[in-house]
Amino acid sequence: GAGVSQTPSNKVTEKGKYVELRCDPISGHTALYWYRQSLGQGPEFLIYFQGTGAADDSGLPNDRFFAVRPEGSVSTLKIQRTERGDSAVYLCASSLSGGPLDTQYFGPGTRLTVL
Amino acid sequence: AQTVTQSQPEMSVQEAETVTLSCTYDTSENNYYLFWYKQPPSRQMILVIRQEAYKQQNATENRFSVNFQKAAKSFSLKISDSQLGDTAMYFCAFMKEGNTPLVFGKGTRLSVIA
Repeated sequence: GAGVSQTPSNKVTEKGKYVELRCDPISGHTALYWYRQSLGQGPEFLIYFQGTGAADDSGLPNDRFFAVRPEGSVSTLKIQRTERGDSAVYLCASSLSGGPLDTQYFGPGTRLTVL
Repeated sequence: AQTVTQSQPEMSVQEAETVTLSCTYDTSENNYYLFWYKQPPSRQMILVIRQEAYKQQNATENRFSVNFQKAAKSFSLKISDSQLGDTAMYFCAFMKEGNTPLVFGKGTRLSVIA
C-alpha cells in the first residue's frame, strides 16, 4: 500500500545544468499530475498525464520543461538549462482515473535548488 | 480563468478551540468542485474535505466542516476541537468539471497552540 513517491527528495544544481525528477504513482492510477510550488505560494499546475499521454501540458512554463510517462506508471519531469527561478518544490500527484471525484494523492515533493 | 483567494496568510488557535479559514473563488462555471488540502511540514499534501458545487448540503468530515456559499463564491473551512496535529498549511483548491487540474490558493498557515 505504498503512496506516491518522488526522488530525489532534494536536488541542488548549478544554473545551466539539466535535471530529472522522478515520480512513482500509486499502482493502478492512470492519472498523474505535476505541480510546482514556489516559496509562499500554493502549487501551480504543470502537466497532466492520462496513461502514457500528456492530456494537458498547458502549465509548462516554457520549452525547457518536458515530462514523460512512457509505460503509464513512472513519470519523469525534465528541466534543461536550469535557471535560478526554477527553484521550487516539484510535487507529483496521482489519482485512479482523473476527474474531481477521484482523490489526488500527493507525493512529498522534490525540492530543487538552482545555484 | 479560475482564481482562488485565501486572505488570511496566518492564523492561530488554542488547542480544543474552533477556527475558521476563509476562501473565496472566481469562476464562470456552474458545475465545479472545491477542496481543502492540508500540507504539514513533511510537505505531503493531504485531502481534508471536498464539496461538489451542485450539492447544497455542506460537506463534513469528523472535526472538519465547510460553509459553502455558492452565490457569494465563498468556501470556508471550520476546524472544531483543534488538535496540535492540525498545525499545517491549509490550501483551498478549485477544479472544473472533467479531467482538469486543481487551482490552488496561496494557503493559510495554521498554528495550534497548547
